[in-house]
Amino acid sequence: DAKTTQPNSMESNEEEPVHLPCNHSTISGTDYIHWYRQLPSQGPEYVIHGLTSNVNNRMASLAIAEDRKSSTLILHRATLRDAAVYYCILRGISSNDYKLSFGAGTTVTVRA
Amino acid sequence: EAQVTQNPRYLITVTGKKLTVTCSQNMNHEYMSWYRQDPGLGLRQIYYSMNVEVTDKGDVPEGYKVSRKEKRNFPLILESPSPNQTSLYFCASSVASGTLYEQYFGPGTRLTVT
Repeated sequence: DAKTTQPNSMESNEEEPVHLPCNHSTISGTDYIHWYRQLPSQGPEYVIHGLTSNVNNRMASLAIAEDRKSSTLILHRATLRDAAVYYCILRGISSNDYKLSFGAGTTVTVRA
Repeated sequence: EAQVTQNPRYLITVTGKKLTVTCSQNMNHEYMSWYRQDPGLGLRQIYYSMNVEVTDKGDVPEGYKVSRKEKRNFPLILESPSPNQTSLYFCASSVASGTLYEQYFGPGTRLTVT
């Protein structure tokens, strides 16, 4: 499976944007980039996913580099509720493997 | 409300005493899965099920059993728990029409085996 690399931690102030990088230099052409997050004392939850084009939803935006070797999850205005561990995960569209391979993720701290 | 529920949320037990952690989803999902989460090891898949009566091992199945007799339920059974099964357990579900669909996770069950 193609691997991802994320920083261990990031800090932000409340109501400021947060840019979470993810490197995936061995990504294949059929791999989608998924993001999940895990709030303290909760199960992981889906955030967003994309293939080539940038994607937006109510939670976040996903910016994907042109060569697809990296991507950035953008939280536009961080709130205290966004403090969580964020996981960048690659999933093959042609795969029958539904397992999510969670790495260490990035721990986001939001300062009031 | 679409959700995955797990019971119990917290459990302290002794070595060798059989226990079952229940998982139920109300979204008519075909795929269900169990993960355990340990510090420094992240989330690891224990067992999964693609549909009723179809189950298979994940990465760390030793010491666990599962069953899928109904679509909505996927219980995790520890026949003879040991201290190394002390962990945080999560159940997850999704549709099985491709890997693009998001997975929904339960709130977790914290198990302590003494």
